[in-house]
Amino acid sequence: DTGVSQNPRHKITKRGQNVTFRCDPISEHNRLYWYRQTLGQGPEFLTYFQNEAQLEKSRLLSDRFSAERPKGSFSTLEIQRTEQGDSAMYLCASSPPMNQPQHFGDGTRLSIL
Amino acid sequence: GDSVTQMEGPVTLSEEAFLTINCTYTATGYPSLFWYVQYPGEGLQLLLKATKADDKGSNKGFEATYRKETTSFHLEKGSVQVSDSAVYFCALSDPSGGSNYKLTFGKGTLLTVNP
Repeated sequence: DTGVSQNPRHKITKRGQNVTFRCDPISEHNRLYWYRQTLGQGPEFLTYFQNEAQLEKSRLLSDRFSAERPKGSFSTLEIQRTEQGDSAMYLCASSPPMNQPQHFGDGTRLSIL
Repeated sequence: GDSVTQMEGPVTLSEEAFLTINCTYTATGYPSLFWYVQYPGEGLQLLLKATKADDKGSNKGFEATYRKETTSFHLEKGSVQVSDSAVYFCALSDPSGGSNYKLTFGKGTLLTVNP
């Protein structure tokens, strides 16, 4: 069990640029989640994959955000035309089938200049 | 919709003091309840969980009991250590919202333990 891996750990970019984050879940976990955490707040759900299918998207996920999980393994989260309000920690979590606890990665911290 | 309310921080204690962090929830169905801990610069780690009423979750000296009648899941520890300093999040997963088991978190409580 190597844990959930997220890359990069930190991303600094200028407003208006596109950014992409990667998440590698625990290998036998078929469920994958993305959350966003702003300073002083708890994580908020963004989207959920079961295998390669994206089954739910939060209203927080505007049309500038897109997530994929090709082949049901790693996942990417892309933000287009970044805005100041996108500055946050983006957390990925994975879990086995059924109602099992989610395991979190260390997150990608996005800073918009 | 589902929501979690936990006591505002920060909480500052001396080593060996008793800790309580209050957590109450609102959910449509019968949720599972969790406490996660986040150490500086790290992701969230599961601390303990309870899946049905009257269950007690415990780990590393921390305990929390699922109280359906008061919709609460308060975190307690009898004697805190400096190494317990972290942010603690109460969370729920409500299966009545579908099969995705997404987590709904409270805002977090920062605990600082002084030697």
